[in-house]
Formats: sequence, structure tokens, C-alpha cells
Amino acid sequence: SQQGEEDPQALSIQEGENATMNCSYKTSINNLQWYRQNSGRGLVHLILIRSNEREKHSGRLRVTLDTSKKSSSLLITASRAADTASYFCATGDTGRRALTFGSGTRLQVQP
Amino acid sequence: EAGVTQFPSHSVIEKGQTVTLRCDPISGHDNLYWYRRVMGKEIKFLLHFVKESKQDESGMPNNRFLAERTGGTYSTLKVQPAELEDSGVYFCASSQGDKSSPLHFGNGTRLTVT
Repeated sequence: SQQGEEDPQALSIQEGENATMNCSYKTSINNLQWYRQNSGRGLVHLILIRSNEREKHSGRLRVTLDTSKKSSSLLITASRAADTASYFCATGDTGRRALTFGSGTRLQVQP
Repeated sequence: EAGVTQFPSHSVIEKGQTVTLRCDPISGHDNLYWYRRVMGKEIKFLLHFVKESKQDESGMPNNRFLAERTGGTYSTLKVQPAELEDSGVYFCASSQGDKSSPLHFGNGTRLTVT
């Protein structure tokens, strides 16, 4: 699998439900970030979690990080139609400055 | 604060032609990155500038790709000659600060090589 690989590739839910996306990575990291991309637009930073943190919250977002399993999850609670987008995890590897992205999860929230 | 801007938003060229993509980062951001996404796959790193210097160009696929950032402001990415597999969306991002600083992305340039 690839560094920063998201799972599932696509997710369709109803408004009001929770959406959970997972990310696995391979290398040692300093931090892990989640980004969102609306169709035809650039990526927008959502949240960052450092390697010594296990959980972080920001509004309706909850991110967990398990460095022993090299995995992270992004939970969006009480989803809205406006949350429809692609979500990418990106790892800040210890060996380099540039972030490593995965292939993303396409989330569709049905109104 | 103006965001990262990329030009053009779309480009359709024939195989063998040359295309130059431009990125204007957020003013004052020393770090500038180029990424590429091909056919819905992962967003792949191409290279990283710190001011006008190439910090990491390990992601550049081959010598048909040339990136510059003269004066440490805007950057250009030239593909010459373009091949079919170069098609994709090219993203530019900028940041200021340390490794944990978030990246600010442009809307990308969609390149189609026919």
C-alpha cells in the first residue's frame, strides 16, 4: 500500500450521520494532517495531529492517531451536505520537509 | 490576504509541445511546493523550494520537467516535451514556518496532453 493511503476510497452517507475515514502510512512521522478538497478547488487544511498526540478535536472533526499501528482516523460528526468533498491525509515524515499525501476518500453526503 | 494562485486553470496541448505552469504563492511564504495528481490517484510530491533554492526535487519524474523560482517569489513548472502520461492536475502550495505549518494550496492547473 502507499504512504498516506486512505480507506475507504468512497463513502456515501445521509445528512446527520457520522463519517469515518481511515489513513495508513509506512514511515516514521512528525505529524499527520488532514485536508479537504472540493471539486475543482485546491486542498484546504483541516487539522494537524502531532506524533506524540493520540486524539484531537476541532468543531465537528475528531482525529485519532495510533503510531504503533501507523494509522489515523478522521471522524466527521453530524455530517452536512456541504461536507461533500474528497478528504486526504498527509504525513510529515521525519526525513523530509514535504508532506506525503494519499489518494483520498471521496465523501458524498446525501441531503 | 490573497491566496495561492495558479495559471492557467486548464491547458490542453499535443504530445511533444511545451507547457509552462505558473504559481504565485502567498506573499512572504518562503516554502513553495509542486504536487501532481494523475487520474484520481494519490497526490504526488514533485519538488520543494525554499525561497529561490530547490530544497528537494526528488519527486520530479524526469528531465522533461523544469521548475524555477527566480527571486524567490513566483514559480514556473515547464514540461518539455510533453507526453501523454503527464496529464493530470498540478497543484502548487506554499507555507511559512516549520514542518507542522499547514500548506496553502492553489486551485491547480488541469493539464491534458493529447
